[in-house]
Amino acid sequence: DAKTTQPPSMDCAEGRAANLPCNHSTISGNEYVYWYRQIHSQGPQYIIHGLKNNETNEMASLIITEDRKSSTLILPHATLRDTAVYYCIVEVGDYGQNFVFGPGTRLSVLP
Amino acid sequence: GAVVSQHPSRVICKSGTSVKIECRSLDFQATTMFWYRQFPKKSLMLMATSNEGSKATYEQGVEKDKFLINHASLTLSTLTVTSAHPEDSSFYICSARQWEAGDEQFFGPGTRLTVL
Repeated sequence: DAKTTQPPSMDCAEGRAANLPCNHSTISGNEYVYWYRQIHSQGPQYIIHGLKNNETNEMASLIITEDRKSSTLILPHATLRDTAVYYCIVEVGDYGQNFVFGPGTRLSVLP
Repeated sequence: GAVVSQHPSRVICKSGTSVKIECRSLDFQATTMFWYRQFPKKSLMLMATSNEGSKATYEQGVEKDKFLINHASLTLSTLTVTSAHPEDSSFYICSARQWEAGDEQFFGPGTRLTVL
């Protein structure tokens, strides 16, 4: 079973920030939080990951709470092409890593 | 990011035939590759983990004799669906982990299999 819970769907206006929450209350100390997204009929695309500190890259920002029991993926200026299913995954980032995907959040960016 | 390709992207076959799907890491060496399947409007399900040069580790409920996985080199893994049936119709996706380059997995574009 997936170790995360996410809302099944969200809407966001084009040009606004999209904030996607994820709960991972049973996360252990050595587990990372990963975010992937899947645009219809394509393979998942890596977005970002983090352990404790907030992370930012060219695609998004990841905010992890101090107790690490939840996180938020932020797309600062959502575009129509960001419409996708977003998956939050927690996993140990070592050699034996494999992912368990939950149902994810279907983000619809509206014009 | 690193690139993973899959071939074919779509395949239609008759019931009872076998289908081979290739997964290649194009610009890096992947010591570990993963195979997933995805039904329409459902999440990805891990089928097996494959390490180069050794037997694949299958998830519970996945028939290893039906879904043959070979990871013969650091850049190629194959999934063969043997004696395919209509219920095997699905979207099959592979991913690869890049050795010594971080913890993220890179996913292929997927292969849509339709068994008639």
